[in-house]
Amino acid sequence: KAGVTQTPRYLIKTRGQQVTLSCSPISGHRSVSWYQQTPGQGLQFLFEYFSETQRNKGNFPGRFSGRQFSNSRSEMNVSTLELGDSALYLCASSPDGGDYGYTFGSGTRLTVV
Amino acid sequence: DQQVKQNSPSLSVQEGRISILNCDYTNSMFDYFLWYKKYPAEGPTFLISISSIKDKNEDGRFTVFLNKSAKHLSLHIVPSQPGDSAVYFCAAPLGAQKLVFGQGTRLTINP
Repeated sequence: KAGVTQTPRYLIKTRGQQVTLSCSPISGHRSVSWYQQTPGQGLQFLFEYFSETQRNKGNFPGRFSGRQFSNSRSEMNVSTLELGDSALYLCASSPDGGDYGYTFGSGTRLTVV
Repeated sequence: DQQVKQNSPSLSVQEGRISILNCDYTNSMFDYFLWYKKYPAEGPTFLISISSIKDKNEDGRFTVFLNKSAKHLSLHIVPSQPGDSAVYFCAAPLGAQKLVFGQGTRLTINP
């Protein structure tokens, strides 16, 4: 079966711009989580969506937002980009988010210049 | 507040020897732990997990040990193989939908 698909794979944006990243979960998975990976910080939880509802949110500023569609596909948006937003953004899906059966996508590498 | 810590950013081991990756945690509420492996340009993949009711879980060449009193867990890989070269993350669920990750340890297996 197809895995978790994230698009685009790479992105270069300028400070102040906004960006939208996309994640298509494994078919049948209804929970989608987003993580930010930066050097030395590991993976940090951004938010989790289930059935179009945000169930959990990490400690990130309001510039980071997300949504989930009825087909479980999810997008995350970062507005007013800062240099520190440069990171690998990873999406993970699971059947319901409660069984720790997370499957990660390959990520979107965002570079802010 | 880093609730899950991997204090060794990197580790180099000779092929065939044992690799030991360490992880410490501060939150005594954690009752389940996972190890993920990550290759460059790929997402993390699940490797092995352990519940707090156990102190050891084994899967082939991979064994995870949990010392609850010390709030410490370790991943043993034996024998180490070149394909094991990757970044390893330990993680713990904080609530049902959120994983808290350590900073990762880059393991290099030398031939």
